[in-house]
Amino acid sequence: GENVEQHPSTLSVQEGDSAVIKCTYSDSASNYFPWYKQELGKGPQLIIDIRSNVGEKKDQRIAVTLNKTAKHFSLHITETQPEDSAVYFCAASRNSGYSTLTFGKGTMLLVSP
Amino acid sequence: DAGVIQSPRHEVTEMGQEVTLRCKPISGHNSLFWYRQTMMRGLELLIYFNNNVPIDDSGMPEDRFSAKMPNASFSTLKIQPSEPRDSAVYFCASLKVSRGQRNTEAFFGQGTRLTVV
Repeated sequence: GENVEQHPSTLSVQEGDSAVIKCTYSDSASNYFPWYKQELGKGPQLIIDIRSNVGEKKDQRIAVTLNKTAKHFSLHITETQPEDSAVYFCAASRNSGYSTLTFGKGTMLLVSP
Repeated sequence: DAGVIQSPRHEVTEMGQEVTLRCKPISGHNSLFWYRQTMMRGLELLIYFNNNVPIDDSGMPEDRFSAKMPNASFSTLKIQPSEPRDSAVYFCASLKVSRGQRNTEAFFGQGTRLTVV
């Protein structure tokens, strides 16, 4: 089955700095890669996703990059703000009707004012 | 839509007792997932239903765990008997998927924090 590794497990940055979280996956058939943000006491919520036919996707201060050859993808947050503090999860799945998401272990991001 | 609704939000029970967690998926979604979250193991998929039918239950830890989906709007995860190592946050998620259609967003509930003492 799929195995997703995520690094780092914790990340502390100053407000305004950039943050980068990296993930690798093992199943070359995976072609959907979402990122979820989980705030304290809440369920994970999708913030951005990328499919294998695209190398990069941006949404305001958030961007994701995908390298299918190397089987790794990354989340980039620019101009970080304290409200970005949360746990971020990457995930991977195949693009099929019965596919399931395999999650990384998560990265706790702390943005200090 | 109110989103995925889970109940209870918190559950404290004694070892050996039966625990039932409940989930109401988003209306119109045909896939439902139960996940368990712990610090050590992260988010683990326990079981996955499509059109109320269990598709993959390989993540269910042992026979003490069972899940049902009697209709499209309700699912339960039962632990009997419960043990302290079952303490975790249990999430339910739902999405709409069709054959040949690209994956779409999975929506998570708020979770049930289970503590078994």
